[in-house]
Amino acid sequence: AQTVTQSQPEMSVQEAETVTLSCTYDTSENNYYLFWYKQPPSRQMILVIRQEAYKQQNATENRFSVNFQKAAKSFSLKISDSQLGDTAMYFCAFMKPFYGGSQGNLIFGKGTKLSVKP
Amino acid sequence: DGGITQSPKYLFRKEGQNVTLSCEQNLNHDAMYWYRQDPGQGLRLIYYSQIVNDFQKGDIAEGYSVSREKKESFPLTVTSAQKNPTAFYLCASSSRDRTNSYNEQFFGPGTRLTVL
Repeated sequence: AQTVTQSQPEMSVQEAETVTLSCTYDTSENNYYLFWYKQPPSRQMILVIRQEAYKQQNATENRFSVNFQKAAKSFSLKISDSQLGDTAMYFCAFMKPFYGGSQGNLIFGKGTKLSVKP
Repeated sequence: DGGITQSPKYLFRKEGQNVTLSCEQNLNHDAMYWYRQDPGQGLRLIYYSQIVNDFQKGDIAEGYSVSREKKESFPLTVTSAQKNPTAFYLCASSSRDRTNSYNEQFFGPGTRLTVL
C-alpha cells in the first residue's frame, strides 16, 4: 500500500521569502503521479502542482516548484516570493496511473499548515 | 458554470440519526469520490464510484453508505453506525478517460458535519 508522509505539521514564513514544504512517500510502483494541493481557510481544495514520476524534470508553476527525488521518494514544494494569500494547509498526494490498476483516487499526507506573516 | 456543488455547507445531527450529504456535478464526469477530513489528518477515502449504479468501498467505509443512480449525483449517507461522524466531508469527481494515464480530480466546497 502507498503512504504519504508530511513531517512538518506547521510552518511560517515572512512575506516575500522562500519556504520549502517536505513530503516523502512509499510505493513499489515505478510510474505514478504526485501532487501538491492547497486548502485555504475557505477549505476549497486547489491543485497547485503535479509531477509525473517518469519525468525527470521538476515541475514548475509560477512561484511554485517541486524538488522530485524519485530514488529517495521525496517530493518537496518550494514557494518563492511568499504572499499573504499563500496562507493555507498544503497537502501532498499520490496517485497511481489508470494502467497501474488505480481507480483514480488520491492518497493524501496529513498536511502542513503554512502561515505567511507580513 | 461547470463544477461540483455540495449541500448543505453545515449540517448538525443528533446522535442516532442518519443524515445524507448531497454532491452534484455538471462536469460530465464518470468518476466520483467521497473523502473525510479530520483535524490534523489528510483526506481519507470513504467510497468511490466509476460509473452509474456501481460503487466501491474506500479505506473507511464503515458506517457510511452511498448510491449512484444518476451520473451527476453521488449522495453520502452517514448512518448511526458511524461512531465518530463529526468531520469535514469533501466530494470530488474526475473523468474516466483511459486514453489519459491521469485525469485531474476536482473538488466540491465541502460539508461540515457536527454531531450534537
